[in-house]
Amino acid sequence: AIQLTQSPSSLSASVGDRVTITCRASQGISSALAWFQQRPGKPPKLLISDASTLESGVPSRFSGSGSGTDFTLTISSLQPEDCASYYCQQVNSVLLTFGGGTKVAIK
Amino acid sequence: EVQLVQSGAEVKRPGESLKISCKGSGYRFSRYWIDWVRQVPGKGLEWMGIIYPGDSDTRYSPSFQGHVTISVDKSTSTAYLQWSSLQASDTAMYFCARHESGEPAADWGQGTLVTVSS
Repeated sequence: AIQLTQSPSSLSASVGDRVTITCRASQGISSALAWFQQRPGKPPKLLISDASTLESGVPSRFSGSGSGTDFTLTISSLQPEDCASYYCQQVNSVLLTFGGGTKVAIK
Repeated sequence: EVQLVQSGAEVKRPGESLKISCKGSGYRFSRYWIDWVRQVPGKGLEWMGIIYPGDSDTRYSPSFQGHVTISVDKSTSTAYLQWSSLQASDTAMYFCARHESGEPAADWGQGTLVTVSS
């Protein structure tokens, strides 16, 4: 199965900071990568599909990039409501996998 | 409106069996894969497996193969996740989600909390 390594596992940043989360796949997956946001007690919410396509209604401060094995989720200006955990997921294989997650906190 | 409604929280003893459900509505149920995802309290998301209601094609993560069974009843637009013998380590929130081939899941159930304790 394709493994996804996400880093960092947690981070703390100030409101307005630029935040970057990376996701590395164990083999090439083209652009078949998604990013999810999960707040405590809630199901995950799809933010980005196909590595860089922003889902409808997702604020434009979120962006995704990458292809092959290396991917990035960027929050251009961190807001208090962005406190959550973020997960990458590959959909290249019929056996899907998630990254280990990144917990984002506000300083 | 697309909805995935999961069955309620369960409290079970080790060794007991359990079947939880996920009922889809607002779309053609047979045309979308249904995923099951586990989340142990305080931990990350773990993809367990999927089923395609159209032909009951089922795939499992190697980590869960042989420990759970995924099934579907097209007549009631309901997918199921079941255990024949629960362990304390099965204590977790379980989510169902739907997706199209090659696409991530945009629609999720509310989650079912399973607690296994003696």
